[in-house]
Amino acid sequence: DTAVSQTPKYLVTQMGNDKSIKCEQNLGHDTMYWYKQDSKKFLKIMFSYNNKELIINETVPNRFSPKSPDKAHLNLHINSLELGDSAVYFCASSLGLLLTDTQYFGPGTRLTVL
Amino acid sequence: AQKITQTQPGMFVQEKEAVTLDCTYDTSDPSYGLFWYKQPSSGEMIFLIYQGSYDQQNATEGRYSLNFQKARKSANLVISASQLGDSAMYFCAMREAYNQGGKLIFGQGTELSVKP
Repeated sequence: DTAVSQTPKYLVTQMGNDKSIKCEQNLGHDTMYWYKQDSKKFLKIMFSYNNKELIINETVPNRFSPKSPDKAHLNLHINSLELGDSAVYFCASSLGLLLTDTQYFGPGTRLTVL
Repeated sequence: AQKITQTQPGMFVQEKEAVTLDCTYDTSDPSYGLFWYKQPSSGEMIFLIYQGSYDQQNATEGRYSLNFQKARKSANLVISASQLGDSAMYFCAMREAYNQGGKLIFGQGTELSVKP
């Protein structure tokens, strides 16, 4: 039933580790996104993919590497985790790239780096 | 410069009353879309309402309406007949047509508390 799902919901890890967050949408959408919400609740886009192609990379460090194996999935891999990476990461999807195409968000993944 | 400004970090409203959450935006693109999202304490982001820059009428969705004043670059969310379940963080966001990647630019959010 869930439209946009993310796993895991919580991720606690040590500095320097590598971790992945998975995202899947069953809405048949062509476009998927990753957003980061910091401790002050500010949301900022990281990446967007359209039909599996990277469209936006919003000056995100190279340690973050998104991968879209197909249109329904957009995963986020983070290397060498740092304290500043602690945040809530949201995946979202939209029908396409039209202005009117609403973005639907997943439940978020709370990442804590110790 | 801030593209989306929400000047009310926190608001209180009595149950059953109406409340207006402010949002002003800044863009030179004539074609853009404005969105409001709700984030309850459980953390998910819920889409509420959309207004396009060329829309003649103010958008409405149930108890939500958008007071769109294009010349003033404001897109305030009005919630009528507030309910306890409306207590949440509310975010205003904008998409600009020139930005091909679909990027949503968010405001800082307004935390709404509904009092019984």
